[in-house]
Amino acid sequence: GAGVSQSPSNKVTEKGKDVELRCDPISGHTALYWYRQRLGQGLEFLIYFQGNSAPDKSGLPSDRFSAERTGESVSTLTIQRTQQEDSAVYLCASSFRQTGELFFGEGSRLTVL
Amino acid sequence: AQSVTQLDSQVPVFEEAPVELRCNYSSSVSVYLFWYVQYPNQGLQLLLKYLSGSTLVESINGFEAEFNKSQTSFHLRKPSVHISDTAEYFCAVTGFSGTYKYIFGTGTRLKVLA
Repeated sequence: GAGVSQSPSNKVTEKGKDVELRCDPISGHTALYWYRQRLGQGLEFLIYFQGNSAPDKSGLPSDRFSAERTGESVSTLTIQRTQQEDSAVYLCASSFRQTGELFFGEGSRLTVL
Repeated sequence: AQSVTQLDSQVPVFEEAPVELRCNYSSSVSVYLFWYVQYPNQGLQLLLKYLSGSTLVESINGFEAEFNKSQTSFHLRKPSVHISDTAEYFCAVTGFSGTYKYIFGTGTRLKVLA
């Protein structure tokens, strides 16, 4: 596609349920990032994938959060046993190289009731 | 570890007035610095970046930022703002500290008043 695609755009779930958020990066982009943006807050780094290297998971807030990426393609962010504090917009970004411009998706807005 | 501090959460300014949005960073390695902008109801997009070379970098819509290594700053300036500049501005830093993750500041909401 022409840009970074994220799905779903909106997700409402009940506390305790698991959710999966998907990111389809720009073709050829080796770097992929996940960020969380709570209402009125900045971007909180979650995880970074670079090619086939081990991901940098240093921003994942708890073991309820996990992410996968197969090669240089789609990534999935999974949140298990969701809590109300997980409510936020989850942003995915990709980049052609390690210090290049980040291209952001429109985000997935998660609301945990 | 790297960090970014944006000292002003909100900056109101009248149209055609100058503006400066402040950004300070902390890093033990060489850095690359960025400003991203998020217009209302839109996604984030790159405004300008410093990778190397001239410490003064400019965007196509009149913003500029200067990398100041001694003061660890990368402040964003515009001599005359327009209503259309109303947006949230995020400063970001990356550099090799094991990986090249990008760290963002908390953002500055610029509101241009008529």
